[in-house]
Amino acid sequence: EAGVTQFPSHSVIEKGQTVTLRCDPISGHDNLYWYRRVMGKEIKFLLHFVKESKQDESGMPNNRFLAERTGGTYSTLKVQPAELEDSGVYFCASSSNRRTEAFFGQGTRLTVV
Amino acid sequence: QKEVEQNSGPLSVPEGAIASLNCTYSDRGSQSFFWYRQYSGKSPELIMFIYSNGDKEDGRFTAQLNKASQYVSLLIRDSQPSDSATYLCAVTRAGSYQLTFGKGTKLSVIP
Repeated sequence: EAGVTQFPSHSVIEKGQTVTLRCDPISGHDNLYWYRRVMGKEIKFLLHFVKESKQDESGMPNNRFLAERTGGTYSTLKVQPAELEDSGVYFCASSSNRRTEAFFGQGTRLTVV
Repeated sequence: QKEVEQNSGPLSVPEGAIASLNCTYSDRGSQSFFWYRQYSGKSPELIMFIYSNGDKEDGRFTAQLNKASQYVSLLIRDSQPSDSATYLCAVTRAGSYQLTFGKGTKLSVIP
């Protein structure tokens, strides 16, 4: 069974540009999460989808971040326009229905220069 | 006060010894507790979860939970060099799927 996959694995963009990260959860997992780790800090929650609906987006830092999960399958996280402080590793995770044990993807390392 | 606290380490143990990793949390509403292992540059890998007070064993790993003391630990018996990684403690509140992580403890198992 394929795990959570994310791409790209790395992205380097200039301040002010737009970047879109993609996550494919484990097949059949209704719950999809985005997390972020900024250098030197702990991994922090961004948001949670249940199927295509946003269940909890309390961790989204500001309106430059837009997450979507059309059709309840894969998800995208767009950052527009990117700022220097957006640099970090963005993790996606998924879990099955009513289960909190989440499985993580390998992450996308975003560098904004 | 940080929500989930872990010693950053590094914690060094000789091969074959027991490694003891500790985590404290501040939110008494925390209900579920997780240990993830993360190798450098890799994804966090779920290795244990525990919901009830007491011990839970899985192979060489034992998770221990004490809700009264707001303390959760991970014991690794017969430590191997391949166990060298950063161990992340994470918790969720009742009714929430949101994981709150500690910064992690770096474990080094010396051959």
